[in-house]
Parts: sequence; C-alpha cells; structure tokens
Amino acid sequence: AQTVTQSQPEMSVQEAETVTLSCTYDTSESDYYLFWYKQPPSRQMILVIRQEAYKQQNATENRFSVNFQKAAKSFSLKISDSQLGDAAMYFCAYRGTNTGNQFYFGTGTSLTVIP
Amino acid sequence: DSGVTQTPKHLITATGQRVTLRCSPRSGDLSVYWYQQSLDQGLQFLIQYYNGEERAKGNILERFSAQQFPDLHSELNLSSLELGDSALYFCASSAPRGGDPNEQFFGPGTRLTVL
Repeated sequence: AQTVTQSQPEMSVQEAETVTLSCTYDTSESDYYLFWYKQPPSRQMILVIRQEAYKQQNATENRFSVNFQKAAKSFSLKISDSQLGDAAMYFCAYRGTNTGNQFYFGTGTSLTVIP
Repeated sequence: DSGVTQTPKHLITATGQRVTLRCSPRSGDLSVYWYQQSLDQGLQFLIQYYNGEERAKGNILERFSAQQFPDLHSELNLSSLELGDSALYFCASSAPRGGDPNEQFFGPGTRLTVL
C-alpha cells in the first residue's frame, strides 16, 4: 500500500514569514495526484492545493505553493507571508490511478503562527 | 461550503449502543469515502463506495458497516460501541459524472462521543 509520511508533527512560523511543510510518499505508480489539506480548529477539511504527477510545473495558489520532486517522491508545501488564519493542521494526501480512487493521508503537521 | 452534508453534527451515546451516521455527497458525485479521526490523530480511511458498490476497504472494524443507496447518499453504521470509538467521522465525496475524479471534498464531520 502507498504510504505518506509527514516527518514534522509541529511547526511554527512568525507572522509574515515563510514556512515549508514536508511530505514524502512511497509509490510504484507513475501517474498519481498529490494534495495538501488544511484542518483549522473548526475541524473542517479544506483543500489547499493539488499537484498532478505528470505536470512538471509546481502548483501555486496565491500564497501557497508546492515543491514537487517526483524522483525523490517529495511534495512540500510552502506558505508565504504567513497569516494568523494559516494556523491549522496540514495533511498531505496521495491518490494513485491504480489504487481504486483511494486517498492516502499523512499524519499531519500542526502549524502555529506567532504574531 | 463543500456541498457535502453530514448528519447529525454531534452524537452522544452509551457503550454497547448502535448509531447511524448519514452523508449526502456533492450533487453528481458518485464516490463516497468514510474516515475516522480520533483526538489529535490523522485520518483513518474506513471504506469507499462508488455508485452503490463497495470499492475499497481500509481499517474498518467488523462492528462497523456502510452502504450507499441509489440516490448516492451513504450511511455508516457503528454497533456495539466502545469508548474508543469516540471520534470525528468524516464523509468525503468525489468523482462527478464526466468530471474530475481526482479531488475529494469533505463534509463537516459528525462528532461521536461514547460514554
């Protein structure tokens, strides 16, 4: 089975600074999708950004961008100009194309934003 | 608002009891996923249905069962409840007819407390 690893249980960042959250995954597939989800204190799961493995260009959504390294099986999330509202748990997720649509989630990184 | 609805929002019950959690996917989505999130834990995938049929099974206990109905709503049945079953249960949907199957949208969750 595919595994998704987030090695940073907790991270902190000063407001307006940049932070990078790490994610690695293990797969034998060549075509797949990667996601970052945000879970604020409300516990709602919110999709932040997605990346298709066949695309070489890194995805960007406003202040959120990814560094996708396919060979290294690495998918990190960069948050620029951090805001207090970015404080949340962040989950990395993987979906393969040969795994029956199942999504695999990492254990999450808790991000604290310091004013 | 993701378009996925879950009822009830909160459920408090006693050990040994049985409960049913309900999920309505986004309009047109064919696939429904169930996840369990215990306190300060990541998401544990339970089960997935696609257009009424079970598609994938994760770490779902034998005391738990699910189904997806012809109108595509889904129910998760939890029986012989134990204290350890207390958790937030999420439903997510994806795979709209003719659309992008590669994004998953989460409902607000049902918080189950077993006393």
